[in-house]
Amino acid sequence: SQTIHQWPATLVQPVGSPLSLECTVEGTSNPNLYWYRQAAGRGLQLLFYSVGIGQISSEVPQNLSASRPQDRQFILSSKKLLLSDSGFYLCAWSRDRGRTGELFFGEGSRLTVL
Amino acid sequence: KQEVTQIPAALSVPEGENLVLNCSFTDSAIYNLQWFRQDPGKGLTSLLLIQSSQREQTSGRLNASLDKSSGRSTLYIAASQPGDSATYLCAVSGNNRLAFGKGNQVVVIP
Repeated sequence: SQTIHQWPATLVQPVGSPLSLECTVEGTSNPNLYWYRQAAGRGLQLLFYSVGIGQISSEVPQNLSASRPQDRQFILSSKKLLLSDSGFYLCAWSRDRGRTGELFFGEGSRLTVL
Repeated sequence: KQEVTQIPAALSVPEGENLVLNCSFTDSAIYNLQWFRQDPGKGLTSLLLIQSSQREQTSGRLNASLDKSSGRSTLYIAASQPGDSATYLCAVSGNNRLAFGKGNQVVVIP
């Protein structure tokens, strides 16, 4: 069976510090991978999308970047965090192409920037 | 641009009652619709996926219907239990995009 892992679960970082959130998927190959941010009262916002190693699509211009160094690994990064980067970050994967397949989410990472 | 609405944002029901949650979307040209459950501080758990060619999907006490022409989906939870308390989100895919509603926050009162 397929599983998705995300870490760390909780992170408190000062403004201006770097960020690295990691996500890995097990039990499947060549998945589509996604990073979402969930803010209170605002729903889920797609940040990045990847169909393969090194292939990243950005949905929203921002202070964040994503990388996919391996087939089942997806990393969300920032060089200098802003207060507005605080939120709940969710990694997800799907089998189907075209961002229309069934989505499976990780447990999320709560980021607080102080 | 697809817009997904879930009303009401929050509701409470006594244990044992059937839950009815609604999801409406503006563009009927969809590929599929997915219902998720989210517990506080946790990720989303997929409950049901309905393909555009289907009218409904069932899993245990859960039943989801889809009416593309009217832009609506309904999630039924039979005989609600306190453990059903959570936020339920629907997501609609189409045109290479996935649009989420903001969710229905449900409390089942023992």
